[in-house]
Amino acid sequence: AQSVAQPEDQVNVAEGNPLTVKCTYSVSGNPYLFWYVQYPNRGLQFLLKYITGDNLVKGSYGFEAEFNKSQTSFHLKKPSALVSDSALYFCAVSLTTDSWGKFQFGAGTQVVVTP
Amino acid sequence: NAGVTQTPKFRILKIGQSMTLQCTQDMNHNYMYWYRQDPGMGLKLIYYSVGAGITDKGEVPNGYNVSRSTTEDFPLRLELAAPSQTSVYFCASSERGGSVEQYFGPGTRLTVT
Repeated sequence: AQSVAQPEDQVNVAEGNPLTVKCTYSVSGNPYLFWYVQYPNRGLQFLLKYITGDNLVKGSYGFEAEFNKSQTSFHLKKPSALVSDSALYFCAVSLTTDSWGKFQFGAGTQVVVTP
Repeated sequence: NAGVTQTPKFRILKIGQSMTLQCTQDMNHNYMYWYRQDPGMGLKLIYYSVGAGITDKGEVPNGYNVSRSTTEDFPLRLELAAPSQTSVYFCASSERGGSVEQYFGPGTRLTVT
């Protein structure tokens, strides 16, 4: 069984400060890891993914994430947050051994960036 | 490309009524998915399909049915609607499973009263 945990329901950060959204996972194998963002009344938009190779992955809108196998984490980061980054963020995992490639999503973290 | 489209955007159903949520994608993706999103619960997989004529249950399939007669379309059927099915429903598609991202539609907000 696989699971994803996003330990913070909400993250508050001032504009211009670094932003971190945490994600940890539990899988019985090697994971593929994804981050998505959801703006109000919209569908999910893909930000970035880790498949293999370099542990630091860069994605859209200046976001990056670091895969840490020993800590089973995949935290999302942005060096300088913008008010427009305020949204709901989801971490997702799928297993390399799952031929159907089903995703397991975390519960989501609401990010609030204040001016 | 329009990507993944869903209709309707909003719907209110009475208990016991039935309806079909429509989903269409124009990316020629083989894999399609239906999720429901409830506050604080993330997204739960209802059904998925890996090609026309091939579907399987996800994590929360009870009360729903699907069919996949074409690559483009993946409708979700709700039979005998219940208040527990009040949710936001998202359809998604991907080129294949596992290592590729899924593309999401804008969602259907359903209320059952």
